[in-house]
Amino acid sequence: EILMTQSPATLSVSPGERATLSCRASQSIRSNLAWYQQKPGQAPRLLIYGASTRATGIPGRFSGSGSGTEFILTISSLQSEDFAVYHCQHYNSWPRTFGQGTKVEIK
Amino acid sequence: QVQLQQWGAGLLKPSETLSLTCAVYGGSFSGYYWNWIRQPPGKGLEWIGEINHSGSTNYSPSLKSRVTMSLDASKNQFSLRLTSVTAADTAVYYCAREVAGSDWFDPWGQGTLVTVSS
Repeated sequence: EILMTQSPATLSVSPGERATLSCRASQSIRSNLAWYQQKPGQAPRLLIYGASTRATGIPGRFSGSGSGTEFILTISSLQSEDFAVYHCQHYNSWPRTFGQGTKVEIK
Repeated sequence: QVQLQQWGAGLLKPSETLSLTCAVYGGSFSGYYWNWIRQPPGKGLEWIGEINHSGSTNYSPSLKSRVTMSLDASKNQFSLRLTSVTAADTAVYYCAREVAGSDWFDPWGQGTLVTVSS
């Protein structure tokens, strides 16, 4: 089973600033990585797949990068609606596993 | 636009069987894998398993001995059964669609909180 590790656990950012979230896989997953956003009381929403491809309707301020074992989600200029928990998920093999999430909170 | 709506019992006693159903509205049932994912309170997401339109399944090794997934294509519904539940199975359970060959989850159901308590 591939272990996904996200850091930091909590990220405090001011509106308008850039947020950089990290996700690390315990072994290479090539580019088989997705990112999700989850707001309180809601289901996760797909943001990024293939490590860097934005899902339909996702604003351009969200970008993903990386391959192998190291991945980054960048939110270029945080808007009020972006404060949420972000999860990474690999799909390189079974079982699919998720990171523990990074909470982006208002500084 | 496809929507997933799920339902099932929210309070169980230890050793009982969890049963949830997810209905697919506004989209095709075939050509996709249909998944269950759970999230214990305050914790991360855990993939439970998947079933495709033909009934082929793939389960998480950690839950495989207790999980059964099924589907009713005539109703565009799929279901999850988890036997012998304990407090560790307390979680919000989500259903989610996976496009065959894509392996990411989109969209998701609204979630169902299942609490296991004596």
